[in-house]
Amino acid sequence: DAGVIQSPRHEVTEMGQEVTLRCKPISGHNSLFWYRQTMMRGLELLIYFNNNVPIDDSGMPEDRFSAKMPNASFSTLKIQPSEPRDSAVYFCASSLYAGNEQYFGPGTRLTVT
Amino acid sequence: QKEVEQNSGPLSVPEGAIASLNCTYSDRGSQSFFWYRQYSGKSPELIMFIYSNGDKEDGRFTAQLNKASQYVSLLIRDSQPSDSATYLCAVKDNYGQNFVFGPGTRLSVLP
Repeated sequence: DAGVIQSPRHEVTEMGQEVTLRCKPISGHNSLFWYRQTMMRGLELLIYFNNNVPIDDSGMPEDRFSAKMPNASFSTLKIQPSEPRDSAVYFCASSLYAGNEQYFGPGTRLTVT
Repeated sequence: QKEVEQNSGPLSVPEGAIASLNCTYSDRGSQSFFWYRQYSGKSPELIMFIYSNGDKEDGRFTAQLNKASQYVSLLIRDSQPSDSATYLCAVKDNYGQNFVFGPGTRLSVLP
């Protein structure tokens, strides 16, 4: 059974450009989470969805960040415009139901120059 | 602000010894507790979860929970160099649906 799939695995972009990160959760999972990890701040929850509906986006740093989940098998996290301080590893995780154990994707390492 | 605290380490133990990793949390209403292992450059990987006070064993791993003291720990018996990683504690309360992760403890098992 395939785990959580993320793409791209690495992204290097220039400041001001739009970045779109993609995630496919484990089939049958109803909850999806986007995290950001940096050395300074650790693992931070950005937003999570239940049944494709955004439940808590209080972790989204600012309006430059947006996330969508158009269907049960796909989600995107978009940063527009990107800034160097957005450089981090972005993880997507899914769980059967919110509150159950979460399974992480391989992450996208984003570098904004 | 709900907080989860861990000693950042590094915690160094010799091969074959018991490694003890500790985590404290601020929200007394927390109900579910999870331990993740993260190798350098990799994603967090679930090791164990525990919901009830006491011990839960899975192979070389034992999770211990004491809700009165707001303390959860992970013991790794017969530590191996392959156990060297960062261990993240995650806590979920009874009302919210998301996890709060601790900063992680870096474990180094010396051969």
